[in-house]
Amino acid sequence: DAGITQSPRHKVTETGTPVTLRCHQTENHRYMYWYRQDPGHGLRLIHYSYGVKDTDKGEVSDGYSVSRSKTEDFLLTLESATSSQTSVYFCAISDPGQGTGNTIYFGEGSWLTVV
Amino acid sequence: DQQVKQNSPSLSVQEGRISILNCDYTNSMFDYFLWYKKYPAEGPTFLISISSIKDKNEDGRFTVFLNKSAKHLSLHIVPSQPGDSAVYFCAASDLSVSGGYQKVTFGTGTKLQVIP
Repeated sequence: DAGITQSPRHKVTETGTPVTLRCHQTENHRYMYWYRQDPGHGLRLIHYSYGVKDTDKGEVSDGYSVSRSKTEDFLLTLESATSSQTSVYFCAISDPGQGTGNTIYFGEGSWLTVV
Repeated sequence: DQQVKQNSPSLSVQEGRISILNCDYTNSMFDYFLWYKKYPAEGPTFLISISSIKDKNEDGRFTVFLNKSAKHLSLHIVPSQPGDSAVYFCAASDLSVSGGYQKVTFGTGTKLQVIP
């Protein structure tokens, strides 16, 4: 298994509160991602990072911000959580330079419920 | 706008038979395709990929076929085993754009059940 740890794994929060999900990797991979999985939508990219302090938006970035201050950590922040952000969030990593091709490795997911 | 479509939400197959999972895409710029497998309460895991310069790629029991003119790909699993029961996601990317390898578009998934 790829060394990806997501925290928290499960969280229930109230509408309007800020929430931060953390992803920590031990593989020294360059690229890190945040996806969300929803019924009828599959997996959708929220943001990704291509290096420390370097990030780019995915297809569903509205309402989310990210930060990467260290190679191993990628944080996803919901500034003011809404019920539409109830979802399963997956962190992922990849690094073609490490001989793994362009394979994206996923963490185990974080279940977020906004009530 | 679903650019990668998996029109069958579920599929049941007898153990030992062939499983065929289908995927259609609408973006003609997609040139790299992948299949991921996902068990409940786990993250997706990479299964197999294919570049648009090929029409077939095989890895053990898994074969992916690509029909560019029809914008269609399929994943064949032969023979199917109970451990193959999972959700399978088709995915695609456009390698000509900046970050193409990173901006992967996933389908909605097909749940495969292999019956012993």
